[in-house]
Amino acid sequence: DIQMTQSPSSLSASVGDRVTITCRASRSILTYLSWYQQKPGKAPKLLIYAVSTLQSGVPSRFSGSGSGTDFTLTISSLQPEDFATYYCQQSYSPPRVFTFGGGTKVEIK
Amino acid sequence: EVQLVESGGGLVQPGGSLRLSCAASGLTFSSDAMSWVRQAPGKGLEWVSGISGSGASTYYADSVKGRFTISRDNSKNTLYLQMKGLGAEDTAVYYCASLVGGQGYFDYWGQGTLVTVSS
Repeated sequence: DIQMTQSPSSLSASVGDRVTITCRASRSILTYLSWYQQKPGKAPKLLIYAVSTLQSGVPSRFSGSGSGTDFTLTISSLQPEDFATYYCQQSYSPPRVFTFGGGTKVEIK
Repeated sequence: EVQLVESGGGLVQPGGSLRLSCAASGLTFSSDAMSWVRQAPGKGLEWVSGISGSGASTYYADSVKGRFTISRDNSKNTLYLQMKGLGAEDTAVYYCASLVGGQGYFDYWGQGTLVTVSS
């Protein structure tokens, strides 16, 4: 099965900082990669799908890139409401079986 | 507005059973594949099971295969997860989520229901 590894597992940043989170697949997943944001006690929220397509309503400061095995989620200017845990998710293989990364917690510095 | 509302969680003894439900509104339920995703306390997300819009196809994570059964009643816009042989490792918040089939991402999520397996 494909393993998804996120790094770092946590980071501290300040409002206004540029933040980059990495997700690595154990083998190629083409562009079947999505990102979610989860705040404490809340359900995950879809941010990005197909590597770089923003879900409706998601601020443009969020962006995604990559292909194959290496992917990044970038927050161009961190806002107070962005402090949360972020997960990547692959949907390439096996069909209809999905794998999440371990998560990256973004904390206030 | 899409709403997914889970219910049926609670405290169950090891080896016990529980059935979760997810009532859906605001989407064309019978057209949408659905999944259950769980999150153990303080841990990450784990996909558990999925089902096609018609209910004809079902999928399971290895960790629950043979113990959990996913089903749906499209006449009631409701998704189910029957869980048997529960162990401490199944303690988690269980979310239902709608799946966008082509790219395989989850666009809507319920608020979750907590399942605690303990004696």
